[in-house]
Amino acid sequence: RKEVEQDPGPFNVPEGATVAFNCTYSNSASQSFFWYRQDCRKEPKLLMSVYSSGNEDGRFTAQLNRASQYISLLIRDSKLSDSATYLCVVKGGHNQAGTALIFGKGTTLSVSS
Amino acid sequence: DADVTQTPRNRITKTGKRIMLECSQTKGHDRMYWYRQDPGLGLRLIYYSFDVKDINKGEISDGYSVSRQAQAKFSLSLESAIPNQTALYFCATSSDGEGYGYTFGSGTRLTVV
Repeated sequence: RKEVEQDPGPFNVPEGATVAFNCTYSNSASQSFFWYRQDCRKEPKLLMSVYSSGNEDGRFTAQLNRASQYISLLIRDSKLSDSATYLCVVKGGHNQAGTALIFGKGTTLSVSS
Repeated sequence: DADVTQTPRNRITKTGKRIMLECSQTKGHDRMYWYRQDPGLGLRLIYYSFDVKDINKGEISDGYSVSRQAQAKFSLSLESAIPNQTALYFCATSSDGEGYGYTFGSGTRLTVV
């Protein structure tokens, strides 16, 4: 089982749609969780951290389920500018190496007018 | 100026040549990382360093070496470049607090011919 798994998509949605991405991780000792956004040929940028209590930032909501080792990202009222690849990222474990970030391969979103 | 600067931005080199990719940061972070990104494979960790005297191998360190010349500088070397090292390379930094994400440089696109 890969450490961080995501559906690669692509997800093609119209403007205004609500879209949800899911991610699973294999290391139950993981301690921190993030969603990053990456535009084509650009560097990844932190979108938001993910907590068990849920985390909302405007149109974006992230959720963590530790028992199921499952992370989600919900985007409401999609904009053209949301088109990008969304990376699920996990950090932490029992050893020092676990403090580096482990990246999923990303889910591609394309929002059309 | 960018918080994390990578040089060069693009490089084409020949098989067997030695090449160095450089990374410098103004974030004041102790932790620095080198990742490579390949289509369909996502970001993979090459090396990481938690301070000047600390160097650790990541998931795919074979064929690479690193040097942490100062807190702000972390360079990646390919001693004898080969075509399957053609990739997009990212340097990243982080603080040592849990729950903090990374700041990435803009990337170096390396082509080995």
